[in-house]
Amino acid sequence: DQQVKQNSPSLSVQEGRISILNCDYTNSMFDYFLWYKKYPAEGPTFLISISSIKDKNEDGRFTVFLNKSAKHLSLHIVPSQPGDSAVYFCAASSTGNQFYFGTGTSLTVIP
Amino acid sequence: GAGVSQSPSNKVTEKGKDVELRCDPISGHTALYWYRQRLGQGLEFLIYFQGNSAPDKSGLPSDRFSAERTGESVSTLTIQRTQQEDSAVYLCASSLQGYYEQYFGPGTRLTVT
Repeated sequence: DQQVKQNSPSLSVQEGRISILNCDYTNSMFDYFLWYKKYPAEGPTFLISISSIKDKNEDGRFTVFLNKSAKHLSLHIVPSQPGDSAVYFCAASSTGNQFYFGTGTSLTVIP
Repeated sequence: GAGVSQSPSNKVTEKGKDVELRCDPISGHTALYWYRQRLGQGLEFLIYFQGNSAPDKSGLPSDRFSAERTGESVSTLTIQRTQQEDSAVYLCASSLQGYYEQYFGPGTRLTVT
């Protein structure tokens, strides 16, 4: 039962363009959402988060948008850089105890 | 400061053997999580420790899996009588109390032959 879904396993973007990574969830009780970035042979690293009381959170080149009615969130990276090439996971929680992760989207930024 | 560390980084074991995986969280982090990532899958929650509270074991897939944590420090995840479907990367993460952001270790890749 996959409560958090990332339907695009991979994405390729030209350097300097916008990368948009999408995530859908099914549980309306989720109230906190996070994005993590993962390089090969390393653990995921926290990137950006958003609480359900907001619909947008921005941190430098990274912006997360939350659409609660559609149960959808997205991560925008502008401008994309080659160093952004990694696997991106979205995660959601309603309790802070259990976090549900998507299967990840592999982003390749082409120089 | 030091991040989350895990050992061993790789473990190959025969089916039926027991394995023990170790996690050293960031000092001062009261919360500790174990996850499993099978090939091509997302991270699957296993267990959560918060301070001295009873752990949330609801994600453990079977009674062959158990975990312990000594106070607010080291945690060990034990898998008894390993099966081939236990092959995965096991990730540990820690966080400060009241914060949702988790800091992950590099993981232990377990291969059961």
